[in-house]
Amino acid sequence: GAGVSQSPRYKVAKRGQDVALRCDPISGHVSLFWYQQALGQGPEFLTYFQNEAQLDKSGLPSDRFFAERPEGSVSTLKIQRTQQEDSAVYLCASSFQIQETQYFGPGTRLLVL
Amino acid sequence: DAKTTQPTSMDCAEGRAANLPCNHSTISGNEYVYWYRQIHSQGPQYIIHGLKNNETNEMASLIITEDRKSSTLILPHATLRDTAVYYCIVRVAARQLTFGSGTQLTVLP
Repeated sequence: GAGVSQSPRYKVAKRGQDVALRCDPISGHVSLFWYQQALGQGPEFLTYFQNEAQLDKSGLPSDRFFAERPEGSVSTLKIQRTQQEDSAVYLCASSFQIQETQYFGPGTRLLVL
Repeated sequence: DAKTTQPTSMDCAEGRAANLPCNHSTISGNEYVYWYRQIHSQGPQYIIHGLKNNETNEMASLIITEDRKSSTLILPHATLRDTAVYYCIVRVAARQLTFGSGTQLTVLP
């Protein structure tokens, strides 16, 4: 594809609901990253995949956050039992290899009421 | 990754060069300087990166001082569409990006 795509672009959830956010990386990109961006702040790292392997999940804020990339392409970030503090923009980025430049998608704006 | 320091905000007149400074005094020899920008409600956009030498591409130029403790991103002819938050990031290859607060650049008509 031409770039990283994410869906949905906007998601409103009631507190306690589970949500799933999708990322389609650039075709052929081996590395995939998830970031969280709170209002007025810079993005913060959540987790990283090399192909289907999740090599670093040190940034996930709690065990309610779970990410997967089962076939080494599309990735899903799942948040269980959403809380108001989960409201943020969730950004996905991909790169050809981990040391290469990361390219970002447009993000999913999550609002938890 | 080394910490970076950027001004909170800057203004620039349309058509003039925008020079965005960044201090990274604790940078290590294997750390690259990356610049991204984020236009309101969009994902960060890659601009340019470098290790030691100055770099130029179709978007901007990156000037890195000889001691590598600071750098300047230059947008040669700023337009209104260049209004964005600009992030200077120092990164070891094979690591995630660590964003700071960035510089809000406002291009004025």
